Amino acid sequence: SQQGEEDPQALSIQEGENATMNCSYKTSINNLQWYRQNSGRGLVHLILIRSNEREKHSGRLRVTLDTSKKSSSLLITASRAADTASYFCATDKYGNKLVFGAGTILRVKS
Amino acid sequence: AAGVIQSPRHLIKEKRETATLKCYPIPRHDTVYWYQQGPGQDPQFLISFYEKMQSDKGSIPDRFSAQQFSDYHSELNMSSLELGDSALYFCASSLGPGSSGNTIYFGEGSWLTVV
Repeated sequence: SQQGEEDPQALSIQEGENATMNCSYKTSINNLQWYRQNSGRGLVHLILIRSNEREKHSGRLRVTLDTSKKSSSLLITASRAADTASYFCATDKYGNKLVFGAGTILRVKS
Repeated sequence: AAGVIQSPRHLIKEKRETATLKCYPIPRHDTVYWYQQGPGQDPQFLISFYEKMQSDKGSIPDRFSAQQFSDYHSELNMSSLELGDSALYFCASSLGPGSSGNTIYFGEGSWLTVV
């Protein structure tokens, strides 16, 4: 990966449980975004958190950002089978490009 | 709501052939990005355009070129195709540069298979 690691690489949970995915990056950033990708499909934007923000919520999603540790976490509460997908974090420092992490494969079993 | 439209969705080409992928950004979006995602890989940035000018360049091979037209749609041209070019190619768009905190929206991607 160009940017860093996502942890865990794969996660399998039961429906109704919470899922936490972590992302680390290497350089200072302006923003960090989380995306979801169903197998072989497009990247769906979930949430954007700016470097001066520490936490953000959107529905069942909670994202935290710790710029001192260069890390972010995505929490999905009360998971559903439809949440099964790959989740990527992506950062930008300058310029127009997003740099993606390696992704976490989440499987929610019903 | 309108999304990023990519065409074709699937493409099969032989080695050494040429392929062209098209991208129509979300209306009023002025910034377009191209990414390449190999099997089991994270998306890799290729190139971006802002207001029809190239704004950033990533790991795009010299065999590839791209441009953004006056109507803001973009095309990625790939020549002398190699087996390793087989991948899912994403186009994305945003209103203004992504580094300004603008959400970047992705299309469904174009599957290129080189045989």
